[in-house]
Amino acid sequence: KAGVTQTPRYLIKTRGQQVTLSCSPISGHRSVSWYQQTPGQGLQFLFEYFSETQRNKGNFPGRFSGRQFSNSRSEMNVSTLELGDSALYLCASSLGQPSGRSNTEAFFGQGTRLTVV
Amino acid sequence: GQNIDQPTEMTATEGAIVQINCTYQTSGFNGLFWYQQHAGEAPTFLSYNVLDGLEEKGRFSSFLSRSKGYSYLLLKELQMKDSASYLCAVSPQADRGSTLGRLYFGRGTQLTVWP
Repeated sequence: KAGVTQTPRYLIKTRGQQVTLSCSPISGHRSVSWYQQTPGQGLQFLFEYFSETQRNKGNFPGRFSGRQFSNSRSEMNVSTLELGDSALYLCASSLGQPSGRSNTEAFFGQGTRLTVV
Repeated sequence: GQNIDQPTEMTATEGAIVQINCTYQTSGFNGLFWYQQHAGEAPTFLSYNVLDGLEEKGRFSSFLSRSKGYSYLLLKELQMKDSASYLCAVSPQADRGSTLGRLYFGRGTQLTVWP
């Protein structure tokens, strides 16, 4: 089966702009989580969506937002970009239901590398 | 708060055994994951521990002690392709499934395997 697909793979933006990243989860997965990965901070949780609802949120400013569509595809938006937003943004999909350990496994996409100049 | 610690770097030679440790202090605990991430690639799932003890899967094994807040990943018969970053991640207490989608990650251990 197809894996998690993130688009675009690479993006260069200037400070002050806004950006939208997309994530298509594995078919049948209803949970999509977003993470920011930087060399200094590692992987940090942004938010999780399940059945079109934000179920969890990390400690990021309001400039970071997201949504999920009825087909489970998710988008993440960052407004008023800052240099510090340069990072690899990873999306992970999972079944999202607490019914057995196998359902807890999260599958990651290849990520979108965002560079803010 | 959440605190997950693992060594920054480790080196080993082909054919050897290496143990990567992870200690955690989190508000609630549901399970612990280990992921492998090669440079420029997505993290890939290696193991998941919920109960105390050792889980073996081929050349890789993972151990968990919930009382000590400690886990390790054991890699045997090391190969060059095992050079990668190994990420320890904790799933906090599940509340009707609401936290299953959230993982707290350590900063990763960069393992270099030499010939």
